[in-house]
Amino acid sequence: QVQLQESGPGLVKPSETLSLTCVVSGYSISSGYYWVWIRQPPGKGLEWIGSIYHSGSTYYNPSLKSRVTISVDTSKNQFSLKLSSVTAADTAVYYCAGEYDILTGQLDYWGQGTLVTVSS
Amino acid sequence: QSALTQPASVSGSPGQSITISCTGTSSDVGGYNYVSWYQQYPGKAPKLMIYDVSKRPSGVSNRFSGSKSGNTASLTISGLQAEDEADYYCSSYTSSSTLVFGGGTKLTVL
Repeated sequence: QVQLQESGPGLVKPSETLSLTCVVSGYSISSGYYWVWIRQPPGKGLEWIGSIYHSGSTYYNPSLKSRVTISVDTSKNQFSLKLSSVTAADTAVYYCAGEYDILTGQLDYWGQGTLVTVSS
Repeated sequence: QSALTQPASVSGSPGQSITISCTGTSSDVGGYNYVSWYQQYPGKAPKLMIYDVSKRPSGVSNRFSGSKSGNTASLTISGLQAEDEADYYCSSYTSSSTLVFGGGTKLTVL
């Protein structure tokens, strides 16, 4: 079965760059699907960060676009998120997910999520 | 982009039916048949319950159904069960080529 697992530092200092990786198992990232990052601040709702296809095509949330980079490494079957110049407002559980068709919301597969806290 | 509008909370008794609304605009919900619904238990990742307005993924109970009228999409849960108590989120494709979520609805089974 398809599994996604996020990894990365749980604590990031303000103004630094948040970096997370999502390893996909049970499915070749090059076979299709779009790969997505979503976050959820504590006690709040979901926010789409951005999506990437294995070809490297990306789509970003306009409110985060200037600070976000999503990349894919097909050789390692994983994709990554970098969010620069973080502040306390970026504290959230970050989820990676697999979407059947771009931006349709058909998010069939989800990682368990990883909490990232921005604090000095 | 503005979040889609959902009621903060809804409640119902076991066996009853409830409906959660998700209101957007003609640039998102009203303009495309790409509305999805997710169920989320505390501390867990969301689970896809409905996609393309009314389609159910394999394994999702047929007690869950989706529909859309104009700029408002709806999730209906029939034969409410205690296990349905969770947070529910909608999402939609937008004309700006982005994905937008609703603010979420807490369902309480009385």
